[in-house]
Amino acid sequence: DVQLLESGGSLIHPGGSLRLSCVVSEVTFTTNARGWVRQAPGKGLEWVSVVSGSGDTTHYADSVKGRFTISRDTSQNTLYLQMNSLRAEDTAVYYCVKAPGYYDASAYYYPRYFDFWGQGSLVTVSS
Amino acid sequence: QSALTQPASVSGSPGQSITISCTGTSSDVGGHNHVSWYQQHPGKAPTLMIYDVSDRPSGVSYRFSGSKSGNTASLTISGLQAEDEAIYFCSSSTTTSVLYVFGTGTKVTVL
Repeated sequence: DVQLLESGGSLIHPGGSLRLSCVVSEVTFTTNARGWVRQAPGKGLEWVSVVSGSGDTTHYADSVKGRFTISRDTSQNTLYLQMNSLRAEDTAVYYCVKAPGYYDASAYYYPRYFDFWGQGSLVTVSS
Repeated sequence: QSALTQPASVSGSPGQSITISCTGTSSDVGGHNHVSWYQQHPGKAPTLMIYDVSDRPSGVSYRFSGSKSGNTASLTISGLQAEDEAIYFCSSSTTTSVLYVFGTGTKVTVL
């Protein structure tokens, strides 16, 4: 089975920056798309960002576009989420996920579902 | 784009069957066969239960089944067991720039 282990969550002031990491124990790291899904305390799930298996396609939810950046280090089997200009509404548990997708006529990747989840990393944005 | 609409709660007795609905629009549930369902126990990460409307991942009980009609998807749990008590979220790809949306979540209680 795939295992995903997140780290990096902490208490941060509004306007601050934080980087989450996710170590993936899977041989096919560069084959599978991955991403981040978050859940505010007591609330529902919200998709945040995904990157295709090839790494050439990234997508972001409107709520984080321009502030968050997804990236990966294939040599370390690690996925990252760089979060800048953090707001109180970004407070949530952030889950690293494996994100099988589908491809349009231009071979552009889109997320389809999330079949493996990490245990989550709590980010609290508060003064 | 709004979240998909689910009932806040559904309950049933052990052994019974229950169905959770998930209502969207022609831009998401009605426009894609990429509807999935997740189970979340308190304090735990979600687990994928159904993908592509009605497919079950390896290891998921046959008691869980999914379907779709028009803009509404459904998750049926048959032979309800105490361990099924959890929150269930539906989700769908979309044909808009939003790309992906989750449902509001349904708390299942086993009486």
